[in-house]
Amino acid sequence: AQSVSQHNHHVILSEAASLELGCNYSYGGTVNLFWYVQYPGQHLQLLLKYFSGDPLVKGIKGFEAEFIKSKFSFNLRKPSVQWSDTAEYFCAPRGDSNYQLIWGAGTKLIIKP
Amino acid sequence: DVKVTQSSRYLVKRTGEKVFLECVQDMDHENMFWYRQDPGLGLRLIYFSYDVKMKEKGDIPEGYSVSREKKERFSLILESASTNQTSMYLCASRRRQTSTGELFFGEGSRLTVL
Repeated sequence: AQSVSQHNHHVILSEAASLELGCNYSYGGTVNLFWYVQYPGQHLQLLLKYFSGDPLVKGIKGFEAEFIKSKFSFNLRKPSVQWSDTAEYFCAPRGDSNYQLIWGAGTKLIIKP
Repeated sequence: DVKVTQSSRYLVKRTGEKVFLECVQDMDHENMFWYRQDPGLGLRLIYFSYDVKMKEKGDIPEGYSVSREKKERFSLILESASTNQTSMYLCASRRRQTSTGELFFGEGSRLTVL
């Protein structure tokens, strides 16, 4: 069965700093990988996804993620964060059965203005 | 704009009470899901439904049941609420069973059981 690990539970950065949030998953067949974001008081929404092709995928609001098959990783990056990026970020690879997602524990990101 | 609406944002119930959480989506999606979200645990799947009148247990179905009589509506039922069911409950929907499909979430229902 697949599992997922998000390395940091809390991250605090200043505006304009670069961001990288780690996500490692266990291999379980076809790779489908997602990052979702939950802004304070809002619903979860899709940030970006990878299912084939170029391993560097771009999402909304300047975020990108790179799929590295040899490392079983799908790290989320942003070159320069803004205060409005304060949110909780979830990595979610596809599970082995019924096309379900396996959710990471989440990383709470706080950006200091 | 796509929308998943959960009937109650905040509920406070007493131990042993029956609790209904309702979710409605306006996107004609086949698949619907109920998750609970707890700090440090991410999202855990309670039940999901492929289509009307179809349901399957997720990872933590104990103490919960669901109902899907109409395509747009998916209800979560706690037959006898307990304090360990205090949590944030999230409903989601998706167009058909596909590994690449985006999940659309409601804003959540925060349940406190006293």
